[in-house]
Amino acid sequence: QVTLKESGPALVRPTQTLTLTCTFSGFSLTTSTMRVSWIRQSPGGAPEWLARIDWDDDRFYRPSLRTRLDISKDTSKNQVVLTMTNMDPVDTATYYCSRTIGSGFFDVWGPGTLVTVSS
Amino acid sequence: DIQMTQSPSSLSASVGDRVTFTCRASQRIGNFLNWYQQKPGKAPKLLISAASSLQSGVPSRFSGSGSGTDFTLTISGLESEDFATYYCQQSNSTPWTFGQGTRVEIK
Repeated sequence: QVTLKESGPALVRPTQTLTLTCTFSGFSLTTSTMRVSWIRQSPGGAPEWLARIDWDDDRFYRPSLRTRLDISKDTSKNQVVLTMTNMDPVDTATYYCSRTIGSGFFDVWGPGTLVTVSS
Repeated sequence: DIQMTQSPSSLSASVGDRVTFTCRASQRIGNFLNWYQQKPGKAPKLLISAASSLQSGVPSRFSGSGSGTDFTLTISGLESEDFATYYCQQSNSTPWTFGQGTRVEIK
């Protein structure tokens, strides 16, 4: 059974750096074609894809956020970490990690973690 | 970025109705189109990948079609658990993008 779970702070101050961890089980990021993405969703908004890391360590980012994002993996711990710098109240959202397979669809999602950016 | 436009933004329907809603891409994306269902407070759930491939465990009343720029999701025989918001997502090119959603409400 594939599961993912996000963890990180619920509250972040403006200008701070957010670090989120996705801990997964049921698959390995050393297996060919496996990928993990981070997606966020503002309250009442649509999902927004942020970044992706592949089994071969290729990394892809949303261009509009490229300078603020970094994605990495620790295959020994089955974890993917997303950092986002210079947080702003507009970054308040539920952040999800998701296994990404096939032609680029998100087949299993974590439950999400709500991050509020406020002073 | 490829823009995804869904219509309508919301619709009211009754149990048993057949409902269809659309997703249009701002440029051709082949069949790299996926559909998700989301209920309040929950993560999105993948229903259909590659425009028409039903995911395992998803009821057969859901179906998808289309290619290029125009896609549809049909629910034939709406059931109470289908009242939710539906999103399309293109995976033709990064940044992968979602539509703004279609909310299906009880009439």
